[in-house]
Amino acid sequence: DAGVTQSPTHLIKTRGQHVTLRCSPISGHKSVSWYQQVLGQGPQFIFQYYEKEERGRGNFPDRFSARQFPNYSSELNVNALLLGDSALYLCASSLQGEGNTIYFGEGSWLTVV
Amino acid sequence: AQSVTQLDSQVPVFEEAPVELRCNYSSSVSVYLFWYVQYPNQGLQLLLKYLSGSTLVKGINGFEAEFNKSQTSFHLRKPSVHISDTAEYFCAVAYSWGKLQFGAGTQVVVTP
Repeated sequence: DAGVTQSPTHLIKTRGQHVTLRCSPISGHKSVSWYQQVLGQGPQFIFQYYEKEERGRGNFPDRFSARQFPNYSSELNVNALLLGDSALYLCASSLQGEGNTIYFGEGSWLTVV
Repeated sequence: AQSVTQLDSQVPVFEEAPVELRCNYSSSVSVYLFWYVQYPNQGLQLLLKYLSGSTLVKGINGFEAEFNKSQTSFHLRKPSVHISDTAEYFCAVAYSWGKLQFGAGTQVVVTP
């Protein structure tokens, strides 16, 4: 079975541009969450979506937005990119319910120049 | 504020020696606890998790962790490491479903 898949794997953007990152969850998983991992740090929670509704939001500016589609895939959008947005963006999926394992994708490496 | 503290940023260890990675968390409510491993240029892989029950949790690749509620700790151990265990290890706490709070990570470097 396929795991969590993310695209693109690597990308380079210029300050001020917009970026869209995509994620496909494990089949049967309806919850998708996004994390930002800056080099040398632990991942930071950005968003959680379940059944196409936002269920949680971390401490990130409004430049960050996301959505979930009817097939449970998800997009993370970041507007007006800053150098500090350079990071590994991880998507994760899980089944509903507390304690269920959260599975991570390989991530999308974003470099802002 | 809730927090997860990994007490060691880097742990050097010789091959076949034991290793312990320390993790403390702050919480006044019940939480779920996890250890993830990240190999270079890869995503996160779950090693083990504590939800309830026995405080000693067995995971993959010979790792185990012990939950100590009174000390709010969840330390990870392996009795004998291999070169392939060289990686970054993250302790994480789930205060609510689907939302993990991670520590800063501990880099384990195994040398022959």
